[in-house]
Amino acid sequence: GQNIDQPTEMTATEGAIVQINCTYQTSGFNGLFWYQQHAGEAPTFLSYNVLDGLEEKGRFSSFLSRSKGYSYLLLKELQMKDSASYLCAVTGARGGSYIPTFGRGTSLIVHP
Amino acid sequence: NAGVTQTPKFRVLKTGQSMTLLCAQDMNHEYMYWYRQDPGMGLRLIHYSVGEGTTAKGEVPDGYNVSRLKKQNFLLGLESAAPSQTSVYFCASSGTLPGRELFFGEGSRLTVL
Repeated sequence: GQNIDQPTEMTATEGAIVQINCTYQTSGFNGLFWYQQHAGEAPTFLSYNVLDGLEEKGRFSSFLSRSKGYSYLLLKELQMKDSASYLCAVTGARGGSYIPTFGRGTSLIVHP
Repeated sequence: NAGVTQTPKFRVLKTGQSMTLLCAQDMNHEYMYWYRQDPGMGLRLIHYSVGEGTTAKGEVPDGYNVSRLKKQNFLLGLESAAPSQTSVYFCASSGTLPGRELFFGEGSRLTVL
């Protein structure tokens, strides 16, 4: 089976930096995704990591350590529009296919 | 660009009624998924399909059935709705290459009274 753990809620100040952690246990690991979901909307893709290290994409960066079963999403220069839920998803083997399993999500509240 | 389209967007059912949610994608994706999202529970996989004519159970399949008769469509059926199936349902599709992102529909909000 798979187990994915991330904090339920975080708060941060506009302009600051926030790090959202995700720890996982899975068999047949084949990558980790981060998605953003605004209230009442569908999730949208942010990043994908399959090798150890940091992937940077504008204000957002994602890090992966496969040996530790650990990832984080780093958001810089926070804006009010970054208030959303951030979903960690791990792709593991299921019946010969690689199917993503989602964590419970981290609700980020950005205040002025 | 349509992407992934779900119908209906909203539905209210009485306990014991049946209904079908339709998901259609125009990206020629092989993989399609049905998730449900409940407060504090994240996205939980109900059923998925890795190609036309194939379906498989996810984490929470009980009370649901699916069919993938055409590559572009993935149907989710509730034969006898229960209040525990009140949820927001998301359909998604993806390609088969590693790192393939999921493209989600807008969601279908189902209430079972």
